[in-house]
Amino acid sequence: DTGVSQDPRHKITKRGQNVTFRCDPISEHNRLYWYRQTLGQGPEFLTYFQNEAQLEKSRLLSDRFSAERPKGSFSTLEIQRTEQGDSAMYLCASSPPAGPTEAFFGQGTRLTVV
Amino acid sequence: GENVEQHPSTLSVQEGDSAVIKCTYSDSASNYFPWYKQELGKRPQLIIDIRSNVGEKKDQRIAVTLNKTAKHFSLHITETQPEDSAVYFCAAQAAGNKLTFGGGTRVLVKP
Repeated sequence: DTGVSQDPRHKITKRGQNVTFRCDPISEHNRLYWYRQTLGQGPEFLTYFQNEAQLEKSRLLSDRFSAERPKGSFSTLEIQRTEQGDSAMYLCASSPPAGPTEAFFGQGTRLTVV
Repeated sequence: GENVEQHPSTLSVQEGDSAVIKCTYSDSASNYFPWYKQELGKRPQLIIDIRSNVGEKKDQRIAVTLNKTAKHFSLHITETQPEDSAVYFCAAQAAGNKLTFGGGTRVLVKP
């Protein structure tokens, strides 16, 4: 197990297109988080899963954003009808069941909407 | 919800000097306070954390202090080295829920 992995690392898309990102957490980590980070800012919370249940979703997140974790393992984040303001680094993190404890981050997916 | 404020936003120190970064949080239920270091183009990585039942924790040149009453916590880096140059983020978490991050501090250590 080499840590949290995200795919793709980079994505360039045209405005209005849909994109989907994947996150594979560290095995046995039941908690999974998605964050968005823009240049010079701290990671901004998007959504949180415990196993397959989506427990919290940021109120700042528009309904163009949806996330799933169907079997409690990997997760996908989809953005529909992308806008230029969606350009950012999308980070996934996972942590083990017993908490509070460290969240391990993936390398992120950098999205550029042109 | 939780709100975390971090200061300063940039910090320039001479190699060998100390650096201090301060954070405040709003949710009294928060009980876990990690600090992450992020180098350019890389993922955030944990450097030290503290739980609410502890007032201070030290790991070599890095220390963190927590004042639950005042709802603030601080990162102290002593004997700074050029490789300490990075962006540092504080965060707060309540009951295993989401981590809420501060805005970050860009630290530059001048040789």
